[in-house]
Amino acid sequence: QVQLQESGPGLVKPSETLSLTCTVSGGSFSSYYWSWIRQPPGKGLEWIGYIYYSGTTNYNSSLKSRVTISIDTSKNQFSLRLSSVTAADTAVYYCAREIVPWDGSGIFYFDSWGQGTLVTVSS
Amino acid sequence: DIQLTQSPSFLSASVGDRVTITCRASQGISSYLAWYQTAPGKAPKLLIYAASTLQSGVPSRFSGSGSGTAFTLTISSLQPEDFATYYCLQHNTYPRTFGQGTKVEIK
Repeated sequence: QVQLQESGPGLVKPSETLSLTCTVSGGSFSSYYWSWIRQPPGKGLEWIGYIYYSGTTNYNSSLKSRVTISIDTSKNQFSLRLSSVTAADTAVYYCAREIVPWDGSGIFYFDSWGQGTLVTVSS
Repeated sequence: DIQLTQSPSFLSASVGDRVTITCRASQGISSYLAWYQTAPGKAPKLLIYAASTLQSGVPSRFSGSGSGTAFTLTISSLQPEDFATYYCLQHNTYPRTFGQGTKVEIK
């Protein structure tokens, strides 16, 4: 069974860059989209973007100018960098695996998630 | 972006109750909707995908229905472990978007 685990600093200063890594174990790294999703305290969930093992990415336009998602297939890891952070970026950050319907069914869904890691932006 | 509106935002219920949560999309999304259960400190759990397909291992008291713009999640007999927050998510287009959540609490 696949497992995802987020790691990275829990505290980031305003204007600096938030960096997180998701380590994937117990499953294939190819054939899926690997996503980052966040949830500010007391608020709803927001999809940040995904990366495919080939390196293809797709970002939420609301964050596109500040987001970079990268992948290291040799380590079964993918990473998030969010630049110029403010207090509004304080959130629990999740990594998740999205099923891709290579069979042409059109049915995508996130089937596995990490437990999430809280990142606080504060000086 | 596709907006998803969940109702109610908060629900107080007792063990054994039948509970229904609604999710409405701002435009048609066919059956490309999933339902997730979240709890503090835990990984979100997939319950339903493709609007009505029960994820493997999820109890049969959970069911989903709908297509187009109107969807429902039903819990036929609420159990103590079901008190949590539930979100709908559309997989029709990018960016993926979520409903605002429904918190189910013990009455």
